[in-house]
Order: sequence, then structure tokens, then C-alpha cells
Amino acid sequence: GAVVSQHPSWVICKSGTSVKIECRSLDFQATTMFWYRQFPKQSLMLMATSNEGSKATYEQGVEKDKFLINHASLTLSTLTVTSAHPEDSSFYICSAIGAGNQPQHFGDGTRLSIL
Amino acid sequence: DAKTTQPTSMDCAEGRAANLPCNHSTISGNEYVYWYRQIHSQGPQYIIHGLKNNETNEMASLIITEDRKSSTLILPHATLRDTAVYYCIARFMDAGNMLTFGGGTRLMVKP
Repeated sequence: GAVVSQHPSWVICKSGTSVKIECRSLDFQATTMFWYRQFPKQSLMLMATSNEGSKATYEQGVEKDKFLINHASLTLSTLTVTSAHPEDSSFYICSAIGAGNQPQHFGDGTRLSIL
Repeated sequence: DAKTTQPTSMDCAEGRAANLPCNHSTISGNEYVYWYRQIHSQGPQYIIHGLKNNETNEMASLIITEDRKSSTLILPHATLRDTAVYYCIARFMDAGNMLTFGGGTRLMVKP
């Protein structure tokens, strides 16, 4: 079945640093990738939609200059949390969808902890 | 996408069938019903989806009422590993449409 790989699984870093999260579709070409954030005991909240070769579309309230998204190829999208602060600590999850009638498939998430 | 309503939580005995209901009374004719589940600290896992007809795969069965206003996900023989939050989502079959997650149903499978 379709596989989406997300890396790293977890990261702990100091406040003020930038963190890059990678999302790869391993066995299909992802026309669109999505980035979600999930706080403890809450549901997933969409942050942005990313199409290969074009600028990401951000949801209301999500700062595009803080959460940089690059979707340079049909198999890779990256999310960079710039100048991360403790309130950015969360579970970040990507998903990808290919062409045709394919369901969206998710990565296993990245747990980000900012100290 | 149409709003869906699910019970907050359910229990099921191990080995028994788990029947998870979902109401989507405002669903439009070309919106599909998708089911995902999320095991603790993992990304959501696709289970099944359907439009009008009942569907079955190796994981589950999806029963959609004739008026399409509700559906039921059936896990025929629940195991402890099926303990998760199950999300029912109505969405159009379009690659550009994201999934909107509600609260889901927290299924606890008990020995």
C-alpha cells in the first residue's frame, strides 16, 4: 500500500532554533501534500496545503513566515519551523495524496519539543 | 465538506465486532465517506471509504444507509491493537481537498 515516510520521528531543541521536518511519499507521486498539527488530546488541525512546484496555501491563523513549506518534488515536502518557541511544541503530521481516486495517506508524525 | 457526528467513546470486548456509527445528514450526492483511525502517537491510518454501496476490505466493512445520512464502520473481530480514535470524514473525491478531522470516537477494546 501507499507509504508516507516522515522524518525525524521526534526532536528536542532549544528555543530559537529552526527545525526541518521531511515528508516523503515512498511509492507514489504526491500531487498534493498536507501539513497538520495536533496538540495533546485534540484532533488534527490543518496548517497548510502544498502542491509541487507552487507556493503552499496556509490556513487562517498559521504564520507562513514561521512555518516554511517547500514542495520541490513530487515525492518530498518539507516543513521548517523557524525560530521555534515552547508554544510550537506539538505533534506535526504530514499526508500525501496522489493522482486519481486515491485516499490520503499519513506519515507517522514528528513530535517536536522546544525547551 | 459535510459535518459528521460520532460518539465520543465506545468500548468493545476483544474478539467481538466493533460497530462505530457516524451521522452525516447533510452529505451531498458526490461526497464520499472516509474512515481513518489514529493509534496513540502515530499518524492517522486509512481504513476504508465509500460513496453509496457497502464496502469491505481486509481491515473493516463500511455500511452506508440508503439515504446516505449515516454509516457504520464494522471491525468484525476487534483486537486490543484496534484501540484507537476513529474518524469519520465526508469529503469530495478531489486530490485538492484536505481532510477535516472532528473529534472522532475513542474505541477501547478490552480483554
